[in-house]
Amino acid sequence: DQQVKQNSPSLSVQEGRISILNCDYTNSMFDYFLWYKKYPAEGPTFLISISSIKDKNEDGRFTVFLNKSAKHLSLHIVPSQPGDSAVYFCAASRTGYALNFGKGTSLLVTP
Amino acid sequence: DSGVTQTPKHLITATGQRVTLRCSPRSGDLSVYWYQQSLDQGLQFLIQYYNGEERAKGNILERFSAQQFPDLHSELNLSSLELGDSALYFCASSVGLGSVIETQYFGPGTRLLVL
Repeated sequence: DQQVKQNSPSLSVQEGRISILNCDYTNSMFDYFLWYKKYPAEGPTFLISISSIKDKNEDGRFTVFLNKSAKHLSLHIVPSQPGDSAVYFCAASRTGYALNFGKGTSLLVTP
Repeated sequence: DSGVTQTPKHLITATGQRVTLRCSPRSGDLSVYWYQQSLDQGLQFLIQYYNGEERAKGNILERFSAQQFPDLHSELNLSSLELGDSALYFCASSVGLGSVIETQYFGPGTRLLVL
């Protein structure tokens, strides 16, 4: 039962443009959401997170938006750089429970 | 480098066999988590240990077991292996019990291939 869904397996964006990665979840009890980034042959690394009491969190070029009524979150990368090419995993959690990950979206940023 | 180490990096074995995957957490981290990433699946949480004790259990098969030792390293034992157990196995660690705001730091993973 996949509670966190990333419906786009891949995304290609030109350097300098905005990358928007989407994530949907089904469990309304989730209260914390995270994005992890993964390069080949490495483990996932934490990128940015957002609590359910917020609808936006920004960290440099990365912004995460949360729409609780739609059970949807998105990660915006502006401007996109070739080094951002990686697999991005969305994850969700509720207090006291483990992280639930999506299947990932592979982002390719072309020069 | 996350500070989490996993050995071996690659493992090839046959069905029915048993293997042990090893994880050393970041210095100072008390929680260790194990995840499985199959070909068409996201990261599936298997089990968490905190300071030597089992803390949380996810979709871990009965053929799989884990433990965390006094020096805080952890081992994941996979037995009676099946073809479907072929996957990437990640270990992660965090400083405390694993509250939602704690960052989990992932190791590079062990790629298991069961033939």
